[in-house]
Amino acid sequence: KAGVTQTPRYLIKTRGQQVTLSCSPISGHRSVSWYQQTPGQGLQFLFEYFSETQRNKGNFPGRFSGRQFSNSRSEMNVSTLELGDSALYLCASSSGQGRTGELFFGEGSRLTVL
Amino acid sequence: GQQLNQSPQSMFIQEGEDVSMNCTSSSIFNTWLWYKQDPGEGPVLLIALYKAGELTSNGRLTAQFGITRKDSFLNISASIPSDVGIYFCAGQLWGNNDMRFGAGTRLTVKP
Repeated sequence: KAGVTQTPRYLIKTRGQQVTLSCSPISGHRSVSWYQQTPGQGLQFLFEYFSETQRNKGNFPGRFSGRQFSNSRSEMNVSTLELGDSALYLCASSSGQGRTGELFFGEGSRLTVL
Repeated sequence: GQQLNQSPQSMFIQEGEDVSMNCTSSSIFNTWLWYKQDPGEGPVLLIALYKAGELTSNGRLTAQFGITRKDSFLNISASIPSDVGIYFCAGQLWGNNDMRFGAGTRLTVKP
């Protein structure tokens, strides 16, 4: 079955702009989690959505937001971009029940903020 | 920042050698997982551990869930070039999908 699809794969923005990233989970998966990966901080949890509701949230400022649609596709938005937001943003899907740690990651969206 | 201490940060080994890496935490976790990330890809799940003391194998990979629930190790036997990549440990509290990841171990295998 098709894996997790993230779009766009690469994007360049300037400070102050906003960005929206998209994630299509594996068919049948109802949970989508978002992670930020940087060389300095590693993989950090942003938030998790299950059945269109945010179920968990990491320690990121309110500029980072997300949502999930009825078809389980998810988007995350970063407003008022800062240089430090440059990172690989990874989306991961899971069934959302039972063994929820077993995540299937997409290839990521690499964001560069200039 | 990271709550898991993963070591070593990097390893350079010869093909055929065995590899060992570990992860420790000041927190107790209910689940320990090991992922591998290849360049340009997202992490892929290798092994998931659910019980303290559990020892699980996946081919040449073996991982254990520490008795204290605060640590885990991953062993790779007879390494091959395709083992190259970054290995991450992750800890999860039961019912909480906020997983914590280690900083990763970058493995290089010389043919």
